Amino acid sequence: DSGVTQTPKHLITATGQRVTLRCSPRSGDLSVYWYQQSLDQGLQFLIHYYNGEERAKGNILERFSAQQFPDLHSELNLSSLELGDSALYFCASSVVADNEQFFGPGTRLTVL
Amino acid sequence: GENVEQHPSTLSVQEGDSAVIKCTYSDSASNYFPWYKQELGKGPQLIIDIRSNVGEKKDQRIAVTLNKTAKHFSLHITETQPEDSAVYFCAANFYTGGFKTIFGAGTRLFVKA
Repeated sequence: DSGVTQTPKHLITATGQRVTLRCSPRSGDLSVYWYQQSLDQGLQFLIHYYNGEERAKGNILERFSAQQFPDLHSELNLSSLELGDSALYFCASSVVADNEQFFGPGTRLTVL
Repeated sequence: GENVEQHPSTLSVQEGDSAVIKCTYSDSASNYFPWYKQELGKGPQLIIDIRSNVGEKKDQRIAVTLNKTAKHFSLHITETQPEDSAVYFCAANFYTGGFKTIFGAGTRLFVKA
């Protein structure tokens, strides 16, 4: 158990819908990262937050947004969902950036 | 741009043999190069990492080497065991005001008993 929690574990929804994925980092970790992993694909970096501030963005679609709250938990919002958005979404946290990241168990999103 | 290439995509070895996975990175990588292991149905887990002021690092059966001039780093697993079977990812951090962690495409390692 990495200490990072993600909810929900599974999410099934329809095209055009909007969903919110939630992540609670390890106690004391200020950095939160979001990744997308499609079937048999590598991990695509989406976004990095540090202590509530966005610090780095990857190839994150405009339909996706994220935020980190004062209690350090983070949410990833995915809107106008398309079939191609079906993937595993991982959250990771670290004490500081440029250091070991601890990954949560992931949220499996299926868009029908 | 920010890029990490990883080879091979699949590697099959006999139990007890060594396994080597290689990665190259583009110019703007920072100084931190981690390796993660992902087992089926789980999130990736760090197995070893290296910073650019070090050329090699070992942890029991696992070692990583880094050649900053050539911009490549490698993972070496000796005396492989069936439980080493998993997908392995290399990664590099790229600093752009914050850190982007770019992962290689992954290597699926099979260790045959």
